[in-house]
Amino acid sequence: AQKITQTQPGMFVQEKEAVTLDCTYDTSDPSYGLFWYKQPSSGEMIFLIYQGSYDQQNATEGRYSLNFQKARKSANLVISASQLGDSAMYFCAMREGNYGQNFVFGPGTRLSVLP
Amino acid sequence: ETGVTQTPRHLVMGMTNKKSLKCEQHLGHNAMYWYKQSAKKPLELMFVYNFKEQTENNSVPSRFSPECPNSSHLFLHLHTLQPEDSALYLCASSQEGQMETQYFGPGTRLLVL
Repeated sequence: AQKITQTQPGMFVQEKEAVTLDCTYDTSDPSYGLFWYKQPSSGEMIFLIYQGSYDQQNATEGRYSLNFQKARKSANLVISASQLGDSAMYFCAMREGNYGQNFVFGPGTRLSVLP
Repeated sequence: ETGVTQTPRHLVMGMTNKKSLKCEQHLGHNAMYWYKQSAKKPLELMFVYNFKEQTENNSVPSRFSPECPNSSHLFLHLHTLQPEDSALYLCASSQEGQMETQYFGPGTRLLVL
């Protein structure tokens, strides 16, 4: 069974609007971390935001926020005020356990920002 | 140099060639990773090194041989590769503790002819 599911292969958003990228995960470990990465066409994976399973508040980093719904096992990324430079692949990833080093990545969502 | 660097950025090799990919991290981290990203497949973890010791090898064929001489440098030696090994190879590093983020390099795009 897939541990990370991203059901949107591709998304379009108008410049300056907000967009939500979906991520659901599957784990039985009470301690885990959830990460979002951005991958532009150049290839590098850029870390965006992190949410720990015990964090009480949703994580925010500038225009990025993570809508964490623990009971539903979802960790959606919200990008506010989209910019043309936000066009990229976005990957949700999970790390299980306190010291686990294995990241599991989802299949990704390709976001295209329209002018 | 800052962050995680990888060289070369692009590599074309024949199936009988031997080549090496290099990764260097300037973040003071103690763990390094190799990932493979093929078209239309999720990232696959290949190798993990903690304090220069290999701790994970996710059933990677022996034609891929990692080397970690110190906590800042990581190599991936390639020999007798197959065309299906063509992919983007990403290096990452982290400071191991609780839930530490992995930081990635720009990757090496490998084409095996």
